[in-house]
Amino acid sequence: QVQLVESGGGVVQPGRSLRLSCAVSGFIFSNYGMHWVRQAPGKGLEWVAIISYDGSKKSYGDSVKGRFAISRDNSKNTLYLQMNSLRAEDTAVYYCVPSALSGSGGYFDYWGQGALVTVSS
Amino acid sequence: DIQMTQSPSTLSASVGDRVTITCRASQSIRSWLAWYQQKPGKAPKLLIYEASILKSGVPSRFSGSGSGTEFTLTISSLQPDDFATYYCQQYNSYSYTFGQGTKLEIK
Repeated sequence: QVQLVESGGGVVQPGRSLRLSCAVSGFIFSNYGMHWVRQAPGKGLEWVAIISYDGSKKSYGDSVKGRFAISRDNSKNTLYLQMNSLRAEDTAVYYCVPSALSGSGGYFDYWGQGALVTVSS
Repeated sequence: DIQMTQSPSTLSASVGDRVTITCRASQSIRSWLAWYQQKPGKAPKLLIYEASILKSGVPSRFSGSGSGTEFTLTISSLQPDDFATYYCQQYNSYSYTFGQGTKLEIK
């Protein structure tokens, strides 16, 4: 079955960096685009970034552009999110999400359990 | 960027009611719209994609319609398990957007 296991979350001071990882199993990772989606406490869902199946194409939400970097290692079935210059408003649960495993398109039919990132001094 | 606006933000209803949630896009997204249900402390669950296609296993009381800029999610007869927060999401471009959410509460 599909498994998406995020790790690397924790408490970090403003201005510092953190890297999230997502270990994937249950589907052919190298065939699918991958996303990060986040949710601040008590708030709605916010799309963060996408990386194409081969890593050649990336796109970011306006709130993280220039600070966050998405990457992947298809040999390790792992997705990453490098988060730099963190701000209090980056505090959220971060979900690792593949693009439409059951079809085609940019909808999200499988979700990880999420990794909590807290930015606080 | 495409903005997604859901209404209402909160909806109070009773078991057995028929309810409709609306999602409007700031520009045409054709039929590239999904709906999700989320309960507290849990990851969202996909209900509908491509505006009207029900994900396998989702009860048939859920339905979606619309194209272009206006979309609706309808629950034909509310069940106790349906009280949750619902989000729409557009995937028309290589930049994705969620609506702000609609919290469905028990009246």
